[in-house]
Amino acid sequence: AQKVTQAQTEISVVEKEDVTLDCVYETRDTTYYLFWYKQPPSGELVFLIRRNSFDEQNEISGRYSWNFQKSTSSFNFTITASQVVDSAVYFCALTSGTALIFGKGTTLSVSS
Amino acid sequence: NAGVTQTPKFRILKIGQSMTLQCTQDMNHNYMYWYRQDPGMGLKLIYYSVGAGITDKGEVPNGYNVSRSTTEDFPLRLELAAPSQTSVYFCASRSTTFNSPLHFGNGTRLTVT
Repeated sequence: AQKVTQAQTEISVVEKEDVTLDCVYETRDTTYYLFWYKQPPSGELVFLIRRNSFDEQNEISGRYSWNFQKSTSSFNFTITASQVVDSAVYFCALTSGTALIFGKGTTLSVSS
Repeated sequence: NAGVTQTPKFRILKIGQSMTLQCTQDMNHNYMYWYRQDPGMGLKLIYYSVGAGITDKGEVPNGYNVSRSTTEDFPLRLELAAPSQTSVYFCASRSTTFNSPLHFGNGTRLTVT
């Protein structure tokens, strides 16, 4: 069975702090994809990034970066110099076929 | 393009009532999904479909039914609503490309009292 664990339920930081959101996954498949989604207070779900199981290169997009390590089954998400607009629930998800399995999410609160 | 459209946005049901949550997409996606989101529990997959006429159960299908008569529409039916079905429901779709991301609707907030 597949599983996604986001152990951090809530994180609070002050603006300009760096913050890392952890994601650990379980799967027996050798080919799979990992995703991160953002859910701001308005409620919609916004796709941020995907990574396939054969590509362990880290990715950076502006203040966002992702670290994928197959050895530890982790796909962590770092926000550098956090801003109030980063306040949201962040979900990590996994698929190796049709269905996408989500973690329980991490609520990030950034205060000014 | 409208993307994925869900109706209604809000609904209050009494215990035992039934209703259908509507979902339609205009991206010609074969794959469609229904998730429910409960506070602190993430998104749980209820049902999904890989094409018209084909549906399959997800993690939490009990108390729900779906149909997929067209590529565009994927309604979710609640029969005999129960308080445990109070939740926010999201419909999503994606293309058949393995790594394609889900496109979500804006959700339906359902309260059963």
